[in-house]
Amino acid sequence: AQTVTQSQPEMSVQEAETVTLSCTYDTSESNYYLFWYKQPPSRQMILVIRQEAYKQQNATENRFSVNFQKAAKSFSLKISDSQLGDTAMYFCAFMKHGGSNYKLTFGKGTLLTVNP
Amino acid sequence: SAVISQKPSRDICQRGTSLTIQCQVDSQVTMMFWYRQQPGQSLTLIATANQGSEATYESGFVIDKFPISRPNLTFSTLTVSNMSPEDSSIYLCSVVPQEIDTQYFGPGTRLTVL
Repeated sequence: AQTVTQSQPEMSVQEAETVTLSCTYDTSESNYYLFWYKQPPSRQMILVIRQEAYKQQNATENRFSVNFQKAAKSFSLKISDSQLGDTAMYFCAFMKHGGSNYKLTFGKGTLLTVNP
Repeated sequence: SAVISQKPSRDICQRGTSLTIQCQVDSQVTMMFWYRQQPGQSLTLIATANQGSEATYESGFVIDKFPISRPNLTFSTLTVSNMSPEDSSIYLCSVVPQEIDTQYFGPGTRLTVL
């Protein structure tokens, strides 16, 4: 079974600054996907970024990028030029590759507050 | 991705009643899931909604309490039966579009049971 750990229950950052959210995971699988989802107060879960484990290059989506360290089983999210709209709960998640399962294992989440 | 809608967006219900939540997708999808998110918590998977057959439930969830239907590849319902205040949660559906190994989520239904 997989586990996902987010060790920072809450974080805060000033607008326009950079913040990094941590995520570690444990798995015996060699091929898998990792995700960051964002859940603002509106409650919709929004996909922020996705990383395939077989790709060495770190995924990037505009101001969002990841630092994927496969050997260390670490998957941190960096948010650059933080905006007030980035205030949300952020969840790290794991999905095994292949088969017909598609199930996600979630971490407990990190509440990020962006201050003006 | 996919455009996913859920109805209702929120509801307040009395103890002992049932509520059916609908999830509609704008395209055919491979998988549909139902989650519960209790206040301040992460998401817990209730079940996988299987097209044309009985849903596959996770440990701790049973069909009598959470009956699920999925009559086609774009629609599913979750019923929360015989509700108690402990059922107060956000209920979310998610989908895996064809040929995309990613889950996308609906906007959620906020349920309050009095």
